[in-house]
Amino acid sequence: NAGVTQTPKFRILKIGQSMTLQCAQDMNHNYMYWYRQDPGMGLKLIYYSVGAGITDKGEVPNGYNVSRSTTEDFPLRLELAAPSQTSVYFCASSQRSTGLYEQYFGPGTRLTVT
Amino acid sequence: RKEVEQDPGPFNVPEGATVAFNCTYSNSASQSFFWYRQDCRKEPKLLMSVYSSGNEDGRFTAQLNRASQYISLLIRDSKLSDSATYLCVVNEGGKLIFGQGTELSVKP
Repeated sequence: NAGVTQTPKFRILKIGQSMTLQCAQDMNHNYMYWYRQDPGMGLKLIYYSVGAGITDKGEVPNGYNVSRSTTEDFPLRLELAAPSQTSVYFCASSQRSTGLYEQYFGPGTRLTVT
Repeated sequence: RKEVEQDPGPFNVPEGATVAFNCTYSNSASQSFFWYRQDCRKEPKLLMSVYSSGNEDGRFTAQLNRASQYISLLIRDSKLSDSATYLCVVNEGGKLIFGQGTELSVKP
């Protein structure tokens, strides 16, 4: 199993450009998450999904959109990129959301907006 | 007040030292608790879950005090390979809330 994969690994965007960060998992997990991590900070939840066709906002959703058409894929869309979106983005998945469970993270996408 | 707050660090310790990390959380309804490890420029990985009765995994011991809303991680006999950032994580209604992390550097 590849686990959670993310593409691209690095990206530089100009202000106002758009892009999609790709995330896929092959563990048949229902729950998937997108986080951002700013330098020296903890991870902040952007959006999450409890299954195909179901998404919900996390703590910092502004400026982002998601979709979940399949169990495997959970892309994150940035519209009109801003310098404040410079960050490392992590996708994660888990088998369930309650109790003692583990979230598996992808390797991250390092995004710079200039 | 931050939802999950950790010792600011960094902690610089010699090999073989014992080091303890502290964490407090603000939501008394939090359901479950974890320590994740994050190596430099890498993704977080689960180190261990934290049980109410306390639990041990080799050189690592985790404690939870629900009354004080306090979590700790003790590392005994530190190794160079323990150098990383340790993230205190709390499950609130199915969402993970991360502390900002405490950096550990173990020196020879």
